[in-house]
Amino acid sequence: EVQLVESGGGLVQPGRSLKLSCAASGFTFSSFPMAWVRQAPKKGLEWVASISSGGGGTYYPDSVKGRFTISRDNAKSTLYLQMDSLRSEDTASYYCARQGTGGKYYFDYWGQGVMVTVSS
Amino acid sequence: DIVLTQSPALAVSLGQRATISCKTNQNVDYYGNSYMHWYQQKPGQQPKLLIYLASNLASGIPARFSGRGSGTDFTLTIDPVEADDTATYYCQQSRNLPPTFGGGTKLELK
Repeated sequence: EVQLVESGGGLVQPGRSLKLSCAASGFTFSSFPMAWVRQAPKKGLEWVASISSGGGGTYYPDSVKGRFTISRDNAKSTLYLQMDSLRSEDTASYYCARQGTGGKYYFDYWGQGVMVTVSS
Repeated sequence: DIVLTQSPALAVSLGQRATISCKTNQNVDYYGNSYMHWYQQKPGQQPKLLIYLASNLASGIPARFSGRGSGTDFTLTIDPVEADDTATYYCQQSRNLPPTFGGGTKLELK
């Protein structure tokens, strides 16, 4: 059974940093690209970052480029999201998601999500 | 960025057919595939993939769910609707980066 378990969320002040983790199990982690997708309270879904299976390719939307960094440790089957210079508009539930292979960028398994609140 | 437009809400009776539409402002077809995907999200839960590449049923999803369309017009059909299907449904394109989502359609029972 595929499982994705996020951790590391919480309350953080604007301008500060936070690092999220996602522990994966039930599949060969190193074979799949992975992603983070967020959802602001009562809002829709927004893609935040993707990383290739080997970790050599990373991709971001303009809204987080230069502030967020996605990474992975295939030996530990763990995905990370380093979030710097946080803003109030980054307040959201953050989901770790397994991405379809072949560059198709759909998300076939999702974690339960972790809440990040950016507020003074 | 590609913009996806969905109707905000839809009300359907139990046992009837629900058709949820998603329109894009750019063609999302590429080399024989339509890069359109559908998700279901129930309150307090993570999204679940229902359909990928416009018409392919995801693993474990009942055949009551189906998807069709190409180019800029896509539909998700649930037939027949069951009580457990009340949720918000999102379409998502991956023809171009960034992948973008529609605003969601909330399915309610009459």
